[in-house]
Amino acid sequence: DGGITQSPKYLFRKEGQNVTLSCEQNLNHDAMYWYRQDPGQGLRLIYYSQIVNDFQKGDIAEGYSVSREKKESFPLTVTSAQKNPTAFYLCASRDRAWGYEQYFGPGTRLTVT
Amino acid sequence: GQNIDQPTEMTATEGAIVQINCTYQTSGFNGLFWYQQHAGEAPTFLSYNVLDGLEEKGRFSSFLSRSKGYSYLLLKELQMKDSASYLCAAYYGGATNKLIFGTGTLLAVQP
Repeated sequence: DGGITQSPKYLFRKEGQNVTLSCEQNLNHDAMYWYRQDPGQGLRLIYYSQIVNDFQKGDIAEGYSVSREKKESFPLTVTSAQKNPTAFYLCASRDRAWGYEQYFGPGTRLTVT
Repeated sequence: GQNIDQPTEMTATEGAIVQINCTYQTSGFNGLFWYQQHAGEAPTFLSYNVLDGLEEKGRFSSFLSRSKGYSYLLLKELQMKDSASYLCAAYYGGATNKLIFGTGTLLAVQP
């Protein structure tokens, strides 16, 4: 089945450690996105990529980094510079040729203590 | 910026009808999405409105007024499983090229 996978579902890290969240899609979508969701707030865009080997900062990119070496994969690294990393992270993808709907992965809940 | 406003919480009774409103800034606006999100899960697509008017899809309908910067999601014959957060998201094209999400409306359906 086609879809977006994010693993793991729950991730725990100690403060000061970098952590990488995976996002893989087999929908053949060109565009991929990373969002962060906090209680009582909407989804906020961290980074997005329209094509392979290209990505742009979203609204809250500080403390995060990404890469887009393959069309299927868009990993997000939460660095120690991110001051409040505990959140629910959602990855999404979109077929740029067929409209604006974004398809979301199941999410990763990151807890940093 | 492109502020999206929707109520934080709503409560409704099983079998009833509920309308969730959303307002957005019209400059650069292309279209309006509604997503449903159950706690701890990914948002799932409900509707996308580009043109003015009402679009019906089973128990769910979505309305858009481009001139007023206003949309609503109408849920009929409410079921307990409809208890979820409903996210309004406006797509802005051109130089912005972004999907801007509201904070979501948490709907509680009571027996």
